[in-house]
Amino acid sequence: DAGVIQSPRHEVTEMGQEVTLRCKPISGHDYLFWYRQTMMRGLELLIYFNNNVPIDDSGMPEDRFSAKMPNASFSTLKIQPSEPRDSAVYFCASSQGTDSANTGELFFGEGSRLTVL
Amino acid sequence: KNEVEQSPQNLTAQEGEFITINCSYSVGISALHWLQQHPGGGIVSLFMLSSGKKKHGRLIATINIQEKHSSLHITASHPRDSAVYICAVHSGGGADGLTFGKGTHLIIQP
Repeated sequence: DAGVIQSPRHEVTEMGQEVTLRCKPISGHDYLFWYRQTMMRGLELLIYFNNNVPIDDSGMPEDRFSAKMPNASFSTLKIQPSEPRDSAVYFCASSQGTDSANTGELFFGEGSRLTVL
Repeated sequence: KNEVEQSPQNLTAQEGEFITINCSYSVGISALHWLQQHPGGGIVSLFMLSSGKKKHGRLIATINIQEKHSSLHITASHPRDSAVYICAVHSGGGADGLTFGKGTHLIIQP
């Protein structure tokens, strides 16, 4: 398996532009997570899905952020409009839940480094 | 919300030394992860454990549920072990995301 695939790896955009980050989880994994990493705050959970359904989006900073998972093999994280404070590395991760709990091993993508000027 | 504390924040050691990184959390958990992040950013899961001890090569992870504490040990450390090591916990109660520690920046000098 190719692992979790994210695109783009790097994006530089101007304030106010729309940004779309993409993620392909590992086939067969039923949990997908979006995390953000900054120097100041470290890694933070933004949102996660179970079987394509958003379960917890309490980490999404504000309405400018939205995430979708239209099918088991694809998810997007969209920022509209983008702001300089959104500059960070955004990681997607997937796992296979055990029983009713999400305690499976996590597999991370390489991350998407976003710079908003 | 679970509070996850790691120590030390930074650690520099000589090649061959035995390394210990600690992680404490405030609320009972269902599982704990140790992650490794190399410069350049990729994150790799080293261990996931909910009790006892796990070993993989030169890496050993232990967890004490009663004391809400976990340790990651590296034996015979090598410069390629230089990375940021991150502790993350599932706070239990079924499906949830992870709460992360701030990470321990480890440098192994030759």
